[in-house]
Amino acid sequence: DVKVTQSSRYLVKRTGEKVFLECVQDMDHENMFWYRQDPGLGLRLIYFSYDVKMKEKGDIPEGYSVSREKKERFSLILESASTNQTSMYLCASSLRTGGLYEQYFGPGTRLTVT
Amino acid sequence: GEDVEQSLFLSVREGDSSVINCTYTDSSSTYLYWYKQEPGAGLQLLTYIFSNMDMKQDQRLTVLLNKKDKHLSLRIADTQTGDSAIYFCAETFKAAGNKLTFGGGTRVLVKP
Repeated sequence: DVKVTQSSRYLVKRTGEKVFLECVQDMDHENMFWYRQDPGLGLRLIYFSYDVKMKEKGDIPEGYSVSREKKERFSLILESASTNQTSMYLCASSLRTGGLYEQYFGPGTRLTVT
Repeated sequence: GEDVEQSLFLSVREGDSSVINCTYTDSSSTYLYWYKQEPGAGLQLLTYIFSNMDMKQDQRLTVLLNKKDKHLSLRIADTQTGDSAIYFCAETFKAAGNKLTFGGGTRVLVKP
């Protein structure tokens, strides 16, 4: 059974804190993605990675960074958390194939910044 | 740039058919997808359609694609309470590589 896990389901942090969100997949997928989900806005891509130590900016990278030191693990970092980063964060992974890109999602981390 | 739009909310009675609509702007889409998100869970791929197809049927699900109008729909026959969820349409297109562009999601509420 395919699995994408995220380190926390709920997280509460203070403004200015450095926040780490971890994602691990056990499917040997090359591609990994971080999204944030806000009501009415759908999923917006923050960063993605096609390979170890490789990263690409998505549509809303400002205020975030990522790290991929191992194939199975993709970390999202909020360098200095702000209240407008309160959101649901979803991690996903997929194979590097041509054509159909099925992404497998983790359960999400609901982050609240106070 | 690409844009995918959906209505926010749909209410339907158990046993009726549901139709969720989506419009997109990029005519070079290769695949279009429907994902389902149940409460407290991540997204799960429900079905997809290749851009050279008009229709795809999979048990209770029917996907219709109108390329001329850039309109995608998902019909769920005999809607059940377990179908209550948020449904996202998404597209990939050649220039985007492995990336998906998602709509805002339609929350479907099935009433008994």
